[in-house]
Amino acid sequence: GEDVEQSLFLSVREGDSSVINCTYTDSSSTYLYWYKQEPGAGLQLLTYIFSNMDMKQDQRLTVLLNKKDKHLSLRIADTQTGDSAIYFCAETFTGTASKLTFGTGTRLQVTL
Amino acid sequence: GAGVSQSPSNKVTEKGKDVELRCDPISGHTALYWYRQSLGQGLEFLIYFQGNSAPDKSGLPSDRFSAERTGGSVSTLTIQRTQQEDSAVYLCASSLLGVQPQHFGDGTRLSIL
Repeated sequence: GEDVEQSLFLSVREGDSSVINCTYTDSSSTYLYWYKQEPGAGLQLLTYIFSNMDMKQDQRLTVLLNKKDKHLSLRIADTQTGDSAIYFCAETFTGTASKLTFGTGTRLQVTL
Repeated sequence: GAGVSQSPSNKVTEKGKDVELRCDPISGHTALYWYRQSLGQGLEFLIYFQGNSAPDKSGLPSDRFSAERTGGSVSTLTIQRTQQEDSAVYLCASSLLGVQPQHFGDGTRLSIL
């Protein structure tokens, strides 16, 4: 079945890199996404990767996908206080009309 | 505006009342989705529209929940005879086509007293 897991909390110092991890169990995913949610706000699309890719870079963000291990990660370079938020990974699957299946979310805290 | 717009942003109502939540997708987006975010259940899919049709309603939790979309644009999610467990943030998303990335509104925070 579809099950997406993330660690609940990550704390990093400003200027360091953050790595947020996500594991999933269903290998039929098509796209994998990273969304950011700030308090009281909706979900902001950060980046996404097609399941036949293994890496995508977009400015400070790097997504790595290991299909063999069903592991997805988001690396944020030079983390800033404005990056403090909850980060969700999400998947879509073949034949499910592109509905998103979300992970549990990782709260990123950036300290000075 | 250019983004997905949801109203109201907050709704407080008494148990047993009906509520209507509105979503105005990004102009030209044919696909529209409703999700629910609650502390106990995380983010859950409710329903998907392609145009005015709903090919996937599998996430609606009970027959008290219904949704419609008119003119291929605005959608309303209706909850009848609200219960306390319906308290959550209801999020709407739209995408250009059914396989494109989804863009979310800020949600409606629903509180049932």
